[in-house]
Amino acid sequence: AQSVTQPDIHITVSEGASLELRCNYSYGATPYLFWYVQSPGQGLQLLLKYFSGDTLVQGIKGFEAEFKRSQSSFNLRKPSVHWSDAAEYFCAVARTNTGNQFYFGTGTSLTVIP
Amino acid sequence: NAGVMQNPRHLVRRRGQEARLRCSPMKGHSHVYWYRQLPEEGLKFMVYLQKENIIDESGMPKERFSAEFPKEGPSILRIQQVVRGDSAAYFCASSPVSPTSGGKYNEQFFGPGTRLTVL
Repeated sequence: AQSVTQPDIHITVSEGASLELRCNYSYGATPYLFWYVQSPGQGLQLLLKYFSGDTLVQGIKGFEAEFKRSQSSFNLRKPSVHWSDAAEYFCAVARTNTGNQFYFGTGTSLTVIP
Repeated sequence: NAGVMQNPRHLVRRRGQEARLRCSPMKGHSHVYWYRQLPEEGLKFMVYLQKENIIDESGMPKERFSAEFPKEGPSILRIQQVVRGDSAAYFCASSPVSPTSGGKYNEQFFGPGTRLTVL
């Protein structure tokens, strides 16, 4: 069965500091992997996705993520966090055979302090 | 080009009443997905529909929940005889084709959600 684990429920970083949000997945084959961001009361916005090819993917807003098959991980990183990055972040996986059903992690809430 | 529209944004129902949640996909999109987000949890897939067809309803509770996407008009998620455990945010997403059509990923675009509160 597919599953996604985000071990950090809440992270607090200082503005300008680097950020890494962890995501581990469980899936038999190579999955499609995604990171979404959700601001309070809003829907989800796609930050980046991994489909195949280069394991380091670049996204919007200066985010990047690295797919590591050996660790079943897809961690999200940003070198310098801005106050506007405070939000909830969700990692998701989709099955490659259908791709239709997404499995989301429980999310990591990011707080940015000045 | 308007995004995915959901209404109402907030819905309050008493136990035993019916809740109807509407989703208008982006223009040109014929694939709709419904997800539920319980408090302090991630989104959970419920159902995937194309126009007039339910493609995958493996995430839908077997009772009280139904979904449709008619030829004309929005997609409707219907919850009959609501209970307090149905209180959640319900998100709709749409895509122009199947997410993996053509061997590449076609993004799902999410609406702002409907927050359902059952008293």
